[in-house]
Amino acid sequence: NAGVTQTPKFQVLKTGQSMTLQCAQDMNHEYMSWYRQDPGMGLRLIHYSVGAGITDQGEVPNGYNVSRSTTEDFPLRLLSAAPSQTSVYFCASSYIGQNEQFFGPGTRLTVL
Amino acid sequence: SQQGEEDPQALSIQEGENATMNCSYKTSINNLQWYRQNSGRGLVHLILIRSNEREKHSGRLRVTLDTSKKSSSLLITASRAADTASYFCAGQGGSEKLVFGKGTKLTVNP
Repeated sequence: NAGVTQTPKFQVLKTGQSMTLQCAQDMNHEYMSWYRQDPGMGLRLIHYSVGAGITDQGEVPNGYNVSRSTTEDFPLRLLSAAPSQTSVYFCASSYIGQNEQFFGPGTRLTVL
Repeated sequence: SQQGEEDPQALSIQEGENATMNCSYKTSINNLQWYRQNSGRGLVHLILIRSNEREKHSGRLRVTLDTSKKSSSLLITASRAADTASYFCAGQGGSEKLVFGKGTKLTVNP
């Protein structure tokens, strides 16, 4: 099993550009989520999904969109990047039922 | 807002010593989880303790949970240089969402 994979590992954008961060898991997990990690802030939940076709907002959803068309994939879209979105983004997945979550390696995004 | 607050923010010890990290949380939880993050890497799950448990062990890890004080502690015994990492607590309430604290950065000196 590859676990949770994320692409790209690094990305530099200019203000106003759009992009999609990819996340995939091969463990048949129902629950998937996106976090951002900023220095001294821990991880904050952006969006999450409890299954294909179901998504919901987390703590810091503004400026981000998600969709969940399959169990495996949960892409995160930045519609118009802003410098405040410079961060490290982590995708995670788990089985439903209050279990441990598995994290991807992260995407380091810089918005100039 | 963050659920947990870890204490201390940073901890530096010698190899072989024990490391204790504390976590306080704000709202009721069903379980509390601890994760480790090596520099530049993703988070790795260490241990989960449910709200009806008071103590749990896993190898060199010991976790306690006091729901009356809304606090938890993680003890790493006989620490090794490889334990150098950031450690995060995360509370899970009535949904699958995890709410993380800001983390403790542990440095174990050889």
